[in-house]
Amino acid sequence: DAKTTQPPSMDCAEGRAANLPCNHSTISGNEYVYWYRQIHSQGPQYIIHGLKNNETNEMASLIITEDRKSSTLILPHATLRDTAVYYCIALRGDDYKLSFGAGTTVTVRA
Amino acid sequence: GAGVSQSPSNKVTEKGKDVELRCDPISGHTALYWYRQSLGQGLEFLIYFQGNSAPDKSGLPSDRFSAERTGGSVSTLTIQRTQQEDSAVYLCASSQAGGITGELFFGEGSRLTVL
Repeated sequence: DAKTTQPPSMDCAEGRAANLPCNHSTISGNEYVYWYRQIHSQGPQYIIHGLKNNETNEMASLIITEDRKSSTLILPHATLRDTAVYYCIALRGDDYKLSFGAGTTVTVRA
Repeated sequence: GAGVSQSPSNKVTEKGKDVELRCDPISGHTALYWYRQSLGQGLEFLIYFQGNSAPDKSGLPSDRFSAERTGGSVSTLTIQRTQQEDSAVYLCASSQAGGITGELFFGEGSRLTVL
């Protein structure tokens, strides 16, 4: 699966949108982009995934560039409870083994 | 319960002892994973079970580690002759057949401390 690159950390203000970037320049056509988050002392939680089109659910939006080399996870109105490590993962459609990197530590500040 | 259940939540053991960690996946989920997370580190894949297929054991770090899944449901991860470097949080996850391949549901983990 393609390697993903994320900034190690970022801060955002409570109530504002948080935009989390992910680079996956070597992604192949059959690899999906998945996002998970891990709140302190909990197991990771699935957020969203996409292939080509932008996706939105009750938690977040995922914007994938047209060339699919990067993506952005958007938390529309960050709350203190969104403070967590966010992982961006590329996974082939026929694969099952998620590889978690270091992720981005997001701190939401009041 | 509705989620993945793991026990014990915390386990302290002495070096050289054997430990067993248990995972109850979400009912009906055919796939089950074990991951390990050492302090301040990312998640490390250990083993994957899918239905009646042979498990993918490629992530097990040594032959001291083994896992089984009985009746396609509950799984037990066994670590024999524990070492201090085995100290970590052991996370179990499950996913459903026909669902999103990469959508895993994780438990809260079992924190293992080897003295």
